[in-house]
Amino acid sequence: EVQLVQSGVEVKKPGESLRISCKGSGYSFTTYWISWVRQMPGKGLEWMGRIDPTDSYTNYSPSFQGHVIISTDTSINTAYLHWSSLQASDTAIYYCARQYCGGDCSPFDYWGQGTLVTVSS
Amino acid sequence: SSELTQDPAVSVALGQTVRITCQGDSLRSYYASWYQQKPGQAPVLVIHGKNNRPSGIPDRFSGSSSGNTASLTITGAQAEDEADYYCNSRDNSGNHLVVFGGGTKLTVL
Repeated sequence: EVQLVQSGVEVKKPGESLRISCKGSGYSFTTYWISWVRQMPGKGLEWMGRIDPTDSYTNYSPSFQGHVIISTDTSINTAYLHWSSLQASDTAIYYCARQYCGGDCSPFDYWGQGTLVTVSS
Repeated sequence: SSELTQDPAVSVALGQTVRITCQGDSLRSYYASWYQQKPGQAPVLVIHGKNNRPSGIPDRFSGSSSGNTASLTITGAQAEDEADYYCNSRDNSGNHLVVFGGGTKLTVL
């Protein structure tokens, strides 16, 4: 069974750093790209960026470029989303999702359960 | 353009047919995918490509596209279809980015 299991709830202060994770299982981790999607409270889905676990190639939405870093550790089939300095506006649920990219990219067929990040002083 | 536009809210009577639309320049070149999100849950893929349903998605869900508009149709809406629906596609900027529509809240009356 394909699963993307994300790390748990985080409560942080502005200026702190954070890394959340997304562990894939039940499939070949390096075959599928991993994207991160933000959902602010009561709002819609926003694509942040994605990574090819094969070579760690990334591309980011202009809205998130420079504010977050996406990485993977293929030895443990895990993708990460990292902030070096959180802001209150980073408060949101963050989802990881996989897609197959060969030429063109398939839709997001499996999603993680989401990680709630709250940033407050 | 990298924007996909959806109506914020749509309602349908139980058992009737509803169409949810998504407009954007990139849809002239690329198919949309559609995701259903219920409160407190992760999104679920319901339609992708020309009109493809993943395993387990009821056949009352269908997709179509014309020009710059993609549509998700629910034929015979059920109470459990009440949810937020998001379209997504790639943008046509040449950077292979992903875009989501703003979402449509479907109410089943």
